[in-house]
Amino acid sequence: RKEVEQDPGPFNVPEGATVAFNCTYSNSASQSFFWYRQDCRKEPKLLMSVYSSGNEDGRFTAQLNRASQYISLLIRDSKLSDSATYLCVVHRGYNKLIFGAGTRLAVHP
Amino acid sequence: ETGVTQTPRHLVMGMTNKKSLKCEQHLGHNAMYWYKQSAKKPLELMFVYSLEERVENNSVPSRFSPECPNSSHLFLHLHTLQPEDSALYLCASSQETGELFFGEGSRLTVL
Repeated sequence: RKEVEQDPGPFNVPEGATVAFNCTYSNSASQSFFWYRQDCRKEPKLLMSVYSSGNEDGRFTAQLNRASQYISLLIRDSKLSDSATYLCVVHRGYNKLIFGAGTRLAVHP
Repeated sequence: ETGVTQTPRHLVMGMTNKKSLKCEQHLGHNAMYWYKQSAKKPLELMFVYSLEERVENNSVPSRFSPECPNSSHLFLHLHTLQPEDSALYLCASSQETGELFFGEGSRLTVL
């Protein structure tokens, strides 16, 4: 079983749609959690951290469920520029960040 | 503009060649990383250096040899690679356990 699992997609949605991604992790000792975004043929960049209480940044909402060991990302009012691969990242220990394979999102007009 | 610079951006090498990938970070971070990204696979953590000491070696074959001469520079020395080693090699840096900042990657093709 992979340590961090994501649905690879692609999620094809129209502009303005709301889309949600889930991610599950297997190591209950994982300490912190992140969503990174990777555009085609570019490097990953931090989108947002995921806090236990849930957090929101504009159109993006991230939530963590430690009991069920999953993390979610909700994108409201999708824009064309949101098209990218979204990587779920789990911090397992000192300097050790484990990446999921990513979920691809394609927003169309 | 990235604070992490990788060279070369593209590299084609034969299985008998020896080459090196270079990474430089201008962010004052104290940890540097090598990740491998193959098509449709998660980023695989290869090596971690913290304060110039290797703290993680993720069962990487010995044909990959990292070097961290100081906190700003990281190398990945390559020798007798296999075609399945063809991938995007990403360098990253962070301050302790903070956000990872990635370079643009070195795309390696092994013939």
